Amino acid sequence: SQQGEEDPQALSIQEGENATMNCSYKTSINNLQWYRQNSGRGLVHLILIRSNEREKHSGRLRVTLDTSKKSSSLLITASRAADTASYFCATSTAGDYKLSFGAGTTVTVRA
Amino acid sequence: DTGVSQNPRHKITKRGQNVTFRCDPISEHNRLYWYRQTLGQGPEFLTYFQNEAQLEKSRLLSDRFSAERPKGSFSTLEIQRTEQGDSAMYLCASSPPGTGTGELFFGEGSRLTVL
Repeated sequence: SQQGEEDPQALSIQEGENATMNCSYKTSINNLQWYRQNSGRGLVHLILIRSNEREKHSGRLRVTLDTSKKSSSLLITASRAADTASYFCATSTAGDYKLSFGAGTTVTVRA
Repeated sequence: DTGVSQNPRHKITKRGQNVTFRCDPISEHNRLYWYRQTLGQGPEFLTYFQNEAQLEKSRLLSDRFSAERPKGSFSTLEIQRTEQGDSAMYLCASSPPGTGTGELFFGEGSRLTVL
């Protein structure tokens, strides 16, 4: 079963604009991770935020986590055509070594 | 380090045939995971190994599916008597010891088409 749900399902933006996508989950988590997947390829890890963290940055990525609302957001600033991909949030729970993924947000960056 | 390797990348088979996928994880990664992904969906967990021990199997995994990791290195996922509903991308991932549920390193996947 999929624990996370991303919103929106799809997003189309102009190059240089920011892209924001949200993830909601159902149960208490140990950490939350974001992954990127280019069409027909494997997933690539972007960033991990622990349950006791509220915000994290990595390059043009900014992730927030609100455990009271069971939600996270991923912001990609100054988007590029190469950012065109599907983005997935994934959660882990304490004592469980697997990740549960959401259905993803498909981002299209127009040149 | 060459990353997680999966073979074959593509497999087309007829319904009722058996197929086997192989995954070679990053060396020294002790955990190995199998996920299944259908079009427009996120990866769904199938099973995972710690070393050679299969520690968890999803209820989604019918008895037609079997996975092994005989020496704690590579793993195989076999699907017997394939059905059209088995058509999907099968993803393998690995993770190093001592990282809890940290980053998973994914392979490029094996795409199965059942005719």
